[in-house]
Amino acid sequence: SQTIHQWPATLVQPVGSPLSLECTVEGTSNPNLYWYRQAAGRGLQLLFYSVGIGQISSEVPQNLSASRPQDRQFILSSKKLLLSDSGFYLCAWMVFGRGSGETQYFGPGTRLLVL
Amino acid sequence: TQLLEQSPQFLSIQEGENLTVYCNSSSVFSSLQWYRQEPGEGPVLLVTVVTGGEVKKLKRLTFQFGDARKDSSLHITAAQPGDTGLYLCAGGRGYSTLTFGKGTMLLVSP
Repeated sequence: SQTIHQWPATLVQPVGSPLSLECTVEGTSNPNLYWYRQAAGRGLQLLFYSVGIGQISSEVPQNLSASRPQDRQFILSSKKLLLSDSGFYLCAWMVFGRGSGETQYFGPGTRLLVL
Repeated sequence: TQLLEQSPQFLSIQEGENLTVYCNSSSVFSSLQWYRQEPGEGPVLLVTVVTGGEVKKLKRLTFQFGDARKDSSLHITAAQPGDTGLYLCAGGRGYSTLTFGKGTMLLVSP
């Protein structure tokens, strides 16, 4: 079965410091991978997605970047964090099932607090 | 822009009551997913519907996909405190991304 991991679970960082959040998927090959940010109790904002190694699509221009160095690894980075980067970051992977539609599966999330 | 409008945004009910959450759009979707998310955790998939008019049941939860595949509903019978959480709908159109609604926060009190 497939599993998705994110770390760290919680992170407190000062303004202006760098960021690296990692996501890995097990049990599947060549998945689509996604980074979302979520404000408390609200919907998901898509930040980046990737359909293959080295392929990154950005949905929201900001000081964040993403990379996919391996098939099942997706990294979210920043060179200098802003207060507004605080939030709950979710990684997800998607499969296209014949007759079963598109379904995304989410990781446990990383809570980021920028002070 | 494809939008999925969820209603209500917030729902507070007593244990044992029934409720329905709606997900509406002017666009046609090839599939629609419902997720439940608890505080501090990632969303968990409840169901995927792909056929217009399809009805799926998951214990006390009933999901329906509209005939025109533009809307969906989630009905919970005899709600329990364990049903508390954020309910998200998401629609797919065969592209690489899904369109998510903004969610319905459900609070079920004992």
